[in-house]
Order: sequence, then structure tokens, then C-alpha cells
Amino acid sequence: GAVVSQHPSRVICKSGTSVKIECRSLDFQATTMFWYRQFPKQSLMLMATSNEGSKATYEQGVEKDKFLINHASLTLSTLTVTSAHPEDSSFYICSARVGGRLETQYFGPGTRLLVL
Amino acid sequence: AQTVTQSQPEMSVQEAETVTLSCTYDTSESNYYLFWYKQPPSRQMILVIRQEAYKQQNATENRFSVNFQKAAKSFSLKISDSQLGDTAMYFCAFFTHNAGNMLTFGGGTRLMVKP
Repeated sequence: GAVVSQHPSRVICKSGTSVKIECRSLDFQATTMFWYRQFPKQSLMLMATSNEGSKATYEQGVEKDKFLINHASLTLSTLTVTSAHPEDSSFYICSARVGGRLETQYFGPGTRLLVL
Repeated sequence: AQTVTQSQPEMSVQEAETVTLSCTYDTSESNYYLFWYKQPPSRQMILVIRQEAYKQQNATENRFSVNFQKAAKSFSLKISDSQLGDTAMYFCAFFTHNAGNMLTFGGGTRLMVKP
């Protein structure tokens, strides 16, 4: 149980285009989902926290107009990288948690984004 | 604010031997959770072990055990009988309900298990 999927696993796009990454909790309802960014050989950096039905909370320094997050249902959150540029190339990881166990996060397998 | 420090960027160990990864943290909270996550080359984050701060007994999960020293704010991970599949990045993480309900990660330790 507690499986989180991400789609796509890998995406290559041209500079200036937008890319949408989906994060789904497959066998549980996730009241909160998190989006992380990870550069090579570095730790996970929290970008934003999204709660179902409300606006996402972004970490300091993360552009909310560039990284659009939607958490429309208890099993789906999406991250859209708008007008992507090469510097947005990175590994993006989502995680999800159940409301009753705030300390436990279940991680998706990640999405590798390459912007040409 | 909570901080988590992993002082060993890289480590290596021979197969079947034991290795200990270090983690220290800084917090003013008394109730919190500590975790070790493994990130193998596939990049999937895998929970290795967790420790509740109110529990004095060190957590163990098969070949993985921790040495939790609350007063010293230290949380090391011991891997016994290391296997090639243990090769991965290991992240120490901290959670408290009083800090936005978010995980705070350390910088990671890259562990290489050599045959």
C-alpha cells in the first residue's frame, strides 16, 4: 500500500514551452502533497506544499507563477512548469501524506525534466 | 528553524562489513521524528528507518539500526552486513509538528558498497 506515482518519468521539452507533471496517490487519499526539486548529487529542496482544494504554499524563492501547482482532488496534484528554460532542468519529486499521520510522507519515483 | 547536518558527503564499505553514517540536527523541540531515507540510482526515495524522539529505545529494521542520542542531537545509521544493493544516497530527515509539518533533509551521504 501507500504507492505514489508520477507521470511522466522523463520529459524533454523546448525552451519556452510548458510542462505538466502529475503526482497520484494510488491507494490512499492524500490530504497534502509536496513538491521537491533535486539537483544532481544534492538533497531534496522543498518547493511547495499543496492541500486539496486550496492554494499551494510556496517556499521562499520559488516563483509561484512559474511553478503552478494544482491539487484538485485527494489523489492528484499537478506541477506545471511554465515557459520552461534550461535552468529549470532538474529532477522533480512529489510526496503525499495522509491527514492522520502528518510525519509520514510517501514519495513518488520522480520526474526528470530536461529543457533544451 | 530546524537544521540537519550530514558531515560525510561520501563513504565506502566492503561488502559484508558494517558502516555507520552520521547525522546531527538542531532543534528546540522536544517531540519530533527522525528518519533515514535511501535513494538508490533509480532515484526512488525509500524509507529505511524512523525514530520517535520520545522513545528511548533505538529503532532497528533488519540490518539497519540507529544510535539515537537525544541530548547530543545525534542520529546515526548503522548498516550491518553491507550488501551491494545498499549502494545509494542516504538522507537523514527531521520532522516536528511545530514547524509547518514538513520534512527537513540533510545534505545526504553517498554510500558505495564495494565487492
